Amino acid sequence: QVQLVQSGAEVKKPGSSVKVSCKASGGTFSSYAISWVRQAPGLGLEWMGGIIPIFGTANYAQKFQGRVTITADESTGTAYMELSSLRSEDTAVYYCAAGLGRWFDPWGQGTLVTVSS
Amino acid sequence: QSALTQPRSVSGSPGQSVTISCTGTSSDVGAYKYVSWYQQHPGKAPKLMIYDVSKRPSGVPDSFSGSKSGNTASLLISGLQAEDEADYYCCSYAGSYTYVFGTGTKVTVL
Repeated sequence: QVQLVQSGAEVKKPGSSVKVSCKASGGTFSSYAISWVRQAPGLGLEWMGGIIPIFGTANYAQKFQGRVTITADESTGTAYMELSSLRSEDTAVYYCAAGLGRWFDPWGQGTLVTVSS
Repeated sequence: QSALTQPRSVSGSPGQSVTISCTGTSSDVGAYKYVSWYQQHPGKAPKLMIYDVSKRPSGVPDSFSGSKSGNTASLLISGLQAEDEADYYCCSYAGSYTYVFGTGTKVTVL
């Protein structure tokens, strides 16, 4: 089964952008849909968007439309999530998660993004 | 797309059963047979427990079961054990390759 390893923690200034990576190993990357889910401190899970690498087109939650860009590089088996115009409310752990169907399994280990001036 | 509604918390004694509800709309839970459930222990990534409403991944105990009626899905945990104490989230497909999570439920083993 595929395993997902995410990039390390980030500290960003308000108004800047962050790009988090999610590298897959041990499986056929193109077979999976990759989603990005975030969790603010003490709060619940929030689906941000996803991509099916073989199709290349991403879909986003309405809340993040225009501010998030999800891409995938089939050659390296890596998915990316870029969030722009960061504000303090974007401080959260960001997870990537894979799915062969309409579920999420496995998950990456999570990447903490802290937005602070 | 609003979050699915779950009770904030449920509790039970070891060996008892607890049920977590997950209420959505006719555009998500009610429209598709694609509800999944996730268990999350503090500081850990979520773990898939149920998919496609009632299917269990390999390795998940049969004490976990899922169902759906109309716009409401449910997760039943039978024979509650100490290690079942965690946060649980439902998630529904909402069409056009989008998804919505539930608000989350904390399960406490008394």
